[in-house]
Parts: sequence; C-alpha cells; structure tokens
Amino acid sequence: DAGVIQSPRHEVTEMGQEVTLRCKPISGHNSLFWYRQTMMRGLELLIYFNNNVPIDDSGMPEDRFSAKMPNASFSTLKIQPSEPRDSAVYFCASSYPGTGSTNEQFFGPGTRLTVL
Amino acid sequence: QQQVKQSPQSLIVQKGGISIINCAYENTAFDYFPWYQQFPGKGPALLIAIRPDVSEKKEGRFTISFNKSAKQFSLHIMDSQPGDSATYFCAAGNSYNTDKLIFGTGTRLQVFP
Repeated sequence: DAGVIQSPRHEVTEMGQEVTLRCKPISGHNSLFWYRQTMMRGLELLIYFNNNVPIDDSGMPEDRFSAKMPNASFSTLKIQPSEPRDSAVYFCASSYPGTGSTNEQFFGPGTRLTVL
Repeated sequence: QQQVKQSPQSLIVQKGGISIINCAYENTAFDYFPWYQQFPGKGPALLIAIRPDVSEKKEGRFTISFNKSAKQFSLHIMDSQPGDSATYFCAAGNSYNTDKLIFGTGTRLQVFP
C-alpha cells in the first residue's frame, strides 16, 4: 500500500512567484495535516483537515498561505506570493480512526522548497 | 501552554552507549506522548508512544520514562547503534482533540562506531 504521496519533492522558485504543494493521503485516512520544518522552529503544524473540512488553521503564518482539500484523496498548500523566508521542508501527514483515542500520523517524504 | 520543550538540540553518543532525550510540557490536558524518528530525506515516523497511566514503556532498546507530576518525559535508547542516527521528535496530544499533536523542536542524534 502506498504511503502519503507529496509532489513535487523539490521546488526552487523566485520570490514573488506562486507555489503549490500537493498531497495525496493514505486511502481511508480521514485527517490530513500540513507541517513546515525548519532548523530554527522545528516541526510546525500549519493546518489540519478532518473529513475534508479545515479544523485548525491557527498555524498558518499569514494570508499568503492557503490550503484546500477538495476531496478525501487530495490536498494543496499554496503560497502566493512566496518569500525567501518560506524556504523549508513541507510535510503532509494523514491519520485514520484507530482503536486508541489518539491516532498515529503517517508522514509523506516532504517537499523541499527554496525561494530565491 | 501549548509548547513542548525538548532537549538537547543535538547529541553525540558512542556505539553501545545510552542516548537520553528529554521533553517537558505545561498543558495538563495532554494525555498522549509519542516519539517520532526521522532519517535524513524522510518524513518522521512513529517510534514509540506512552499514555500517562504508566510510568514507563519499553520496546526493544527504546524506553519512554514518564513523570506526570513533573510534566516531563524522556526517551532512552539503550546500546545505541550507528543506525539510530536520526532526528527524534517528542510530541504531545490529548483525547479531547484526538488529531492534533504538538511537536518538540527535535534532537539530532549521532552515534559513532
């Protein structure tokens, strides 16, 4: 079974350009998370969805960031306009209702974004 | 109050030694404490997790120790191996909000032969 799929794996763009990151969660998982990882701030939760509905977007840094989940098998994270400080590795993760009260999150391989 | 503080930032251990990573939290509503392991170029993956009804959980060479009164928990890696070299993240979540996890800042572990 395929894990969480992210594309592209690497993205290099120039300041001011629009960037779209894509994620396909594991089939059957009903929660999806977008994280940003940097050396300075570690792993930050940006937003998460449950059953395609955004539940908590308090981690989204500013209005330049937006995320959508049009269906259970696809989500996007968009940055417009991009800035050099957005350079980071962006991870998508998904989870499913388990027998316990808290669900293991399965992470994708990440997208390394470089904004010049 | 939502933060999880993790230390040290980096750790160098000789093969066969014990690696210890510590985490502390403030929010007493947290009742789930997982550790994730991340190898270079990969996403984090669940390593081991504990709930506060027990003070220790062991899986192979990996042990979580939990101190509820101090609001601290730690990961111990016994007989550390070069293959354990990775970044380790502690995290915390609660049953009221079953999906969200708050991650620590990570510890980069290097195990030398």
